[in-house]
Amino acid sequence: GAVVSQHPSWVICKSGTSVKIECRSLDFQATTMFWYRQFPKQSLMLMATSNEGSKATYEQGVEKDKFLINHASLTLSTLTVTSAHPEDSSFYICSARVDYPSGGPQETQYFGPGTRLLVL
Amino acid sequence: GQNIDQPTEMTATEGAIVQINCTYQTSGFNGLFWYQQHAGEAPTFLSYNVLDGLEEKGRFSSFLSRSKGYSYLLLKELQMKDSASYLCAALDSNYQLIWGAGTKLIIKP
Repeated sequence: GAVVSQHPSWVICKSGTSVKIECRSLDFQATTMFWYRQFPKQSLMLMATSNEGSKATYEQGVEKDKFLINHASLTLSTLTVTSAHPEDSSFYICSARVDYPSGGPQETQYFGPGTRLLVL
Repeated sequence: GQNIDQPTEMTATEGAIVQINCTYQTSGFNGLFWYQQHAGEAPTFLSYNVLDGLEEKGRFSSFLSRSKGYSYLLLKELQMKDSASYLCAALDSNYQLIWGAGTKLIIKP
């Protein structure tokens, strides 16, 4: 159980185009999902926290108008990189936090397989 | 500020035991996670500790001391496939994960 999928797994695009990445929890509900970015040989950097039915919470330094997040349902969050530039090339990973009933194991995040974005 | 410290890189021999340490300073504390990340892949969940003590799960064990702000991941009977980065992450009072930079574990035959 607790499988998270991401689509697409690889994107190569021209500078200036927009790219949408989907994150789905396949067998559980996730009110909260997280979007991370990871540059080579560096740790995960949290970009934003995505909450179903409300606006995402962005980390300091992350442009909310450039990285649009929509958490349309309890199983789907999307990240759109608008007007992508070569410096946006990175490994984008989403994770989903399981909605357990009270008393259940809390706060484990399950990660999607990641999306590699290459902007030419 | 919030901070997670873990060694950058460790080397061990196949079949041996290795301990990866992690110290943390967070605003509040709601548990400590260990994740494994192979090169080019997303992290996978290994363990979660919120109470003091050792939790054993097969070849992997995780230890937590809340009073010392310290955790370690113990890997026994090392296999070549254990070569990966191991990420320590602490959950703060806002239930936000604070990530360490990861420890790259190199296994030699």
